[in-house]
Amino acid sequence: EVQLLESGGGLEQPGGSLRLSCAASGFTFSTYAMGWVRQAPGKGLEWVSTISGSGAMTFYADSVKGRFIVSRDNSKDTVYLQMNSLRADDTAVYYCVKSSEADYSFDSWGQGTLVTVSS
Amino acid sequence: EIVMTQSPATLSVSPGESATLSCRASQRLTSNLAWYQQKPGQAPRLLIYGAFTRATGVPARFSGSGSGTEFTLTISSLQSEDFAVYYCQQYNDWPRTFGQGTKVEIK
Repeated sequence: EVQLLESGGGLEQPGGSLRLSCAASGFTFSTYAMGWVRQAPGKGLEWVSTISGSGAMTFYADSVKGRFIVSRDNSKDTVYLQMNSLRADDTAVYYCVKSSEADYSFDSWGQGTLVTVSS
Repeated sequence: EIVMTQSPATLSVSPGESATLSCRASQRLTSNLAWYQQKPGQAPRLLIYGAFTRATGVPARFSGSGSGTEFTLTISSLQSEDFAVYYCQQYNDWPRTFGQGTKVEIK
């Protein structure tokens, strides 16, 4: 059974940094692209970032480009999201997602971790 | 950026009836279209990928159709557990984009 367990969320001041982690299990981690999707309170879903299985390729939403960095450690089956220069509009639940074997839809989701940016 | 537009925003349906949800893309997609279901307080769940293929464990009452820029999710004979918010998402191009969601509520 695929499991994705996020951690690292919390309250941070504007301009601060946080690092989210997502520990994966139940599949061959290095084979699959992984990513992050966020959901602001009461709002819809917003794709944030994706990293390829090897980590060689990364992709970002314009809203986070230059501030967030996605990475992965295939020896630890973990994907990370380093979030810098945080803004109030980064406040959201951040979901870790696994890409499907068949295509690049998101076939597994973590339970999410809440990031609140406020002074 | 490919803009995804869902309609209607809210759909009121009685249990046992069917529901038809629409999703329009601002550019033509090559069937790289997924549908997700999200219940309150839960993470989204993949229902449909490739525009019409049901994900593992998804009941047959959920079906996806469409091509090009127009896609549809049909839920036949709605069950109590189907009342939720549904999102479409394109993964044809970067950035990946979601529709704003359709809430299916009990009539």
